[in-house]
Amino acid sequence: NAGVMQNPRHLVRRRGQEARLRCSPMKGHSHVYWYRQLPEEGLKFMVYLQKENIIDESGMPKERFSAEFPKEGPSILRIQQVVRGDSAAYFCASSPAGAANYGYTFGSGTRLTVV
Amino acid sequence: SQQGEEDPQALSIQEGENATMNCSYKTSINNLQWYRQNSGRGLVHLILIRSNEREKHSGRLRVTLDTSKKSSSLLITASRAADTASYFCATDSAGGSNYKLTFGKGTLLTVNP
Repeated sequence: NAGVMQNPRHLVRRRGQEARLRCSPMKGHSHVYWYRQLPEEGLKFMVYLQKENIIDESGMPKERFSAEFPKEGPSILRIQQVVRGDSAAYFCASSPAGAANYGYTFGSGTRLTVV
Repeated sequence: SQQGEEDPQALSIQEGENATMNCSYKTSINNLQWYRQNSGRGLVHLILIRSNEREKHSGRLRVTLDTSKKSSSLLITASRAADTASYFCATDSAGGSNYKLTFGKGTLLTVNP
């Protein structure tokens, strides 16, 4: 079991470009969560998805950010027209259904740097 | 309000000593979790304690929970250099969405050989 796979590990984008972050959940996990970690901060919840559905996007900025978890393939977090303030580590976690009581498995993250 | 505030912010000890980290939170919870993050890596789940539990053990880890004080502690006994990492507590919100975790800023633990 390869665990939660995120790629790329590091991503550098110029201001105004688009950033695409990918997350493949653990085998058998149908729930995906995205968190953002700013420097010297704890993780902040962004969005919770199940296959083909966004369950809760309350932590995601209304503009420029979108997320999807298609029937086939990884979950994608897309940031359009990136700005310097988007520089952060983005972590994905996955779980089977009803795993809130057991803890989450996180990927190693994508470190986005906007220059 | 901020959930999950850890203290101290940084802790430096010698190998073999015990390390204690504390976490305070503001609203009622269902569960409290502790995670470890090595520098530049993802988070590793260590232990989850439910709101109706007071103490839990896992190997060299001991977690306590005091819901009346809204606080938890993580004790690592007989520390090793490999325990050097940042440690975060994460809480959900009773009556809210239990999948949405709120993390503190973490305690940076350095274990010197």
